Amino acid sequence: AQSVTQLDSQVPVFEEAPVELRCNYSSSVSVYLFWYVQYPNQGLQLLLKYLSGSTLVKGINGFEAEFNKSQTSFHLRKPSVHISDTAEYFCAVSGSISNFGNEKLTFGTGTRLTIIP
Amino acid sequence: GAVVSQHPSRVICKSGTSVKIECRSLDFQATTMFWYRQFPKQSLMLMATSNEGSKATYEQGVEKDKFLINHASLTLSTLTVTSAHPEDSSFYICSARSTGGRVIQYFGAGTRLSVL
Repeated sequence: AQSVTQLDSQVPVFEEAPVELRCNYSSSVSVYLFWYVQYPNQGLQLLLKYLSGSTLVKGINGFEAEFNKSQTSFHLRKPSVHISDTAEYFCAVSGSISNFGNEKLTFGTGTRLTIIP
Repeated sequence: GAVVSQHPSRVICKSGTSVKIECRSLDFQATTMFWYRQFPKQSLMLMATSNEGSKATYEQGVEKDKFLINHASLTLSTLTVTSAHPEDSSFYICSARSTGGRVIQYFGAGTRLSVL
């Protein structure tokens, strides 16, 4: 089984400032990691994913995240935020393909990012 | 990219009625679809995993007779909330995973159910 912790429920950031949204996970098996964004009254859109290879992954809308196995973290970052980045962000984990049966997504509780003009 | 269509986006119904929500993968075939429920300001909770041509697998605590899931084809899964009550009011979201890949889930836009 896996679990995800997003320590910050709300993060206010001034426009054009950098932001980091924290995500830590726990798992007894190798994992895949994801960040999703949810705009009000909408479903989830995949921002980026880590499956294997380079630990620094780049996603859409200028976001990137770094997989740190030793710290079991997958923090999301953006160097300069825009008003349109205001949304809810969810970190999620699933077991890897080699761990068949552990492929369900487990979500964190979400971080509300609010961009201040 | 992969598109998942969910319909309706919003439904209001009277207590005791049944409501059907459709989830369609528009440009790919989905062997597996998932149904989630999301309460206000909370995360997504997996309700059930739907596999084409077989019975859905429900998560602990989810009533299978209350939330009927049918996955009759590789592009369509339906969730029927039977005899809905106000406590069933919630945001329901489906996702689909393609037959070619078992990794990424693509999400629908969600359905806001309000039971009066």
